[in-house]
Amino acid sequence: DTAVSQTPKYLVTQMGNDKSIKCEQNLGHDTMYWYKQDSKKFLKIMFSYNNKELIINETVPNRFSPKSPDKAHLNLHINSLELGDSAVYFCASSHGWLGVGAFFGQGTRLTVV
Amino acid sequence: KNEVEQSPQNLTAQEGEFITINCSYSVGISALHWLQQHPGGGIVSLFMLSSGKKKHGRLIATINIQEKHSSLHITASHPRDSAVYICAVRWNSGGSNYKLTFGKGTLLTVNP
Repeated sequence: DTAVSQTPKYLVTQMGNDKSIKCEQNLGHDTMYWYKQDSKKFLKIMFSYNNKELIINETVPNRFSPKSPDKAHLNLHINSLELGDSAVYFCASSHGWLGVGAFFGQGTRLTVV
Repeated sequence: KNEVEQSPQNLTAQEGEFITINCSYSVGISALHWLQQHPGGGIVSLFMLSSGKKKHGRLIATINIQEKHSSLHITASHPRDSAVYICAVRWNSGGSNYKLTFGKGTLLTVNP
């Protein structure tokens, strides 16, 4: 059983489109995160949710919005996609807020053309 | 702002060698994490430290709070240890606000 699963694994889309990346964890963790890894492989935290409350919202564009329907899911919605949004996005989860997830999803490679 | 520096950027070793990767930071922290990113892209959380030393198998992580420095050691290195090792620090930016800063990673290649 996959602990943290993201879908899709690859996403190619045109500029201006709106897209979503889904994340689910079956570990019973109460905190979930989204990270962005750019083309230089540099990681940056985007959001974290604890018990459905937003804890950190780093300086990301408001075109990005996390949506958590329940404790096991944290989806990432992106509006009006731009070329610079191309990156690998990782979801993660932990028990309690650690800043860095204990378990990571496999990543979603987003390419905006 | 917390500056996180990792060294070396790239490291090549022969199988069996003892490996050390370093991480230094500029502002006092509440915790430091070590992550491993495999060549295929998957990320594994290795350690979370706030003081002292932790060991898991052939991996040892240490932290010196006074010197603002952490090391990740790998004993008896193996080609499967080849990966990017990333340090991340969690720090208080004021009040109850916490921030997270990642290092740029160290690419380790272990040759058979």
